[in-house]
Amino acid sequence: AQSVTQLDSQVPVFEEAPVELRCNYSSSVSVYLFWYVQYPNQGLQLLLKYLSGSTLVESINGFEAEFNKSQTSFHLRKPSVHISDTAEYFCAVSENSGNTPLVFGKGTRLSVIA
Amino acid sequence: GAVVSQHPSRVICKSGTSVKIECRSLDFQATTMFWYRQFPKQSLMLMATSNEGSKATYEQGVEKDKFLINHASLTLSTLTVTSAHPEDSSFYICSAPDSSPGTLHFGNGTRLTVT
Repeated sequence: AQSVTQLDSQVPVFEEAPVELRCNYSSSVSVYLFWYVQYPNQGLQLLLKYLSGSTLVESINGFEAEFNKSQTSFHLRKPSVHISDTAEYFCAVSENSGNTPLVFGKGTRLSVIA
Repeated sequence: GAVVSQHPSRVICKSGTSVKIECRSLDFQATTMFWYRQFPKQSLMLMATSNEGSKATYEQGVEKDKFLINHASLTLSTLTVTSAHPEDSSFYICSAPDSSPGTLHFGNGTRLTVT
């Protein structure tokens, strides 16, 4: 079984400042890793994912995450945040075989302050 | 791209009634669908996995007689909340994997409010 830990429940940050949202996972098998974003009263949107290959993955809106197997981490970073990045961010993990469900972390609320 | 359509987006019902939520894969076949539940300001918890043509698999602590899941075809899975009570009020989200590794498509969710 897998588990995901998002240590920070809330992260306030000023606009144009950098941010890092932390995610650690636990699994006895190889995994896929994901970051999803959820805006108020909306569903989930995939931000980025790691399946294999390069450990650094990027999204189209400036976020990036790096898979670190030794530290079992998949932290999400952005060098300069915007007000519109205010949302709930979920890290998730699944086994890398077959149709397996995602296991989600508890989420981190990113609040960007003008 | 692939889309999962979930309906209704919002529903308000009275205590004791039943509510059906539909999840359709629009341009791909989904032999498996996952149903999640999200309480306010909390994470998504897997409730059950529905499989086309067979019984759903429920997670520990989820009442299968209360949350009826039917996966009638390769494109449709339904979740029926039977005899709903206020504590069933929540955000329910379905998701379906397609043939690409590590690819899950999510519906937009259903906000259920039981009064």
